[in-house]
Amino acid sequence: EVQLVQSGAEVKKPGESLKISCKGSGYSFTSYWIGWVRQMPGKGLEWMGIIYPGDSDTRYSPSFQGQVTISADKSISTAYLQWSSLKASDTAMYYCARREYSGYATDYWGQGTLVTVSS
Amino acid sequence: DIQLTQSPSFLSASVGDRVTITCRASQGISSYLAWYQQKPGKAPKLLIYAASTLQSGVPSRFSGSGSGTEFTLTISSLQPEDFATYYCQQLNSYLYTFGQGTKLEIK
Repeated sequence: EVQLVQSGAEVKKPGESLKISCKGSGYSFTSYWIGWVRQMPGKGLEWMGIIYPGDSDTRYSPSFQGQVTISADKSISTAYLQWSSLKASDTAMYYCARREYSGYATDYWGQGTLVTVSS
Repeated sequence: DIQLTQSPSFLSASVGDRVTITCRASQGISSYLAWYQQKPGKAPKLLIYAASTLQSGVPSRFSGSGSGTEFTLTISSLQPEDFATYYCQQLNSYLYTFGQGTKLEIK
């Protein structure tokens, strides 16, 4: 069974750093792109970027380029999303999602990680 | 970036109704379009991929059509569990944008 399991909710202060994770299982982790999606409270879905764990090829949405870092450790089938200096506006639910092999959809999603940034 | 515009943003309908949601792309995306359903507090669920292919396990009352720049999601007979928010997503390039969402509410 394909599963993406994300790390737990985080509460941070502005200026702090954070790295959240997404562990894949039940499939060949290195063969599928993994993307990250932001959903701010009460708002829609925003595509942040995507990584291919096989070679760490990474593509960012322009809105998120330079704001976050996407990485992966294929030895433990885990993708990451990290911030070096959080802002209150980073408060959101973050989802990881696997891109379907032929590239026509994101077929499996993690359960989401809620990040709250507040002083 | 390719922009996706969904319409309507809000839709009020009754159980048994047939509803259609439209998604327009700012440039041609072939059939690289997917539809998702999201319920409060849950991750999005894939309904349709490649514009018109039903994801395994999704009821056949859901259907998708279109190519190029105009796409539709149709629910043939609304069921109580279908009241949710629906999003389209384009995957034509690695900048995979979403539509703004359509909230389907019970009339």
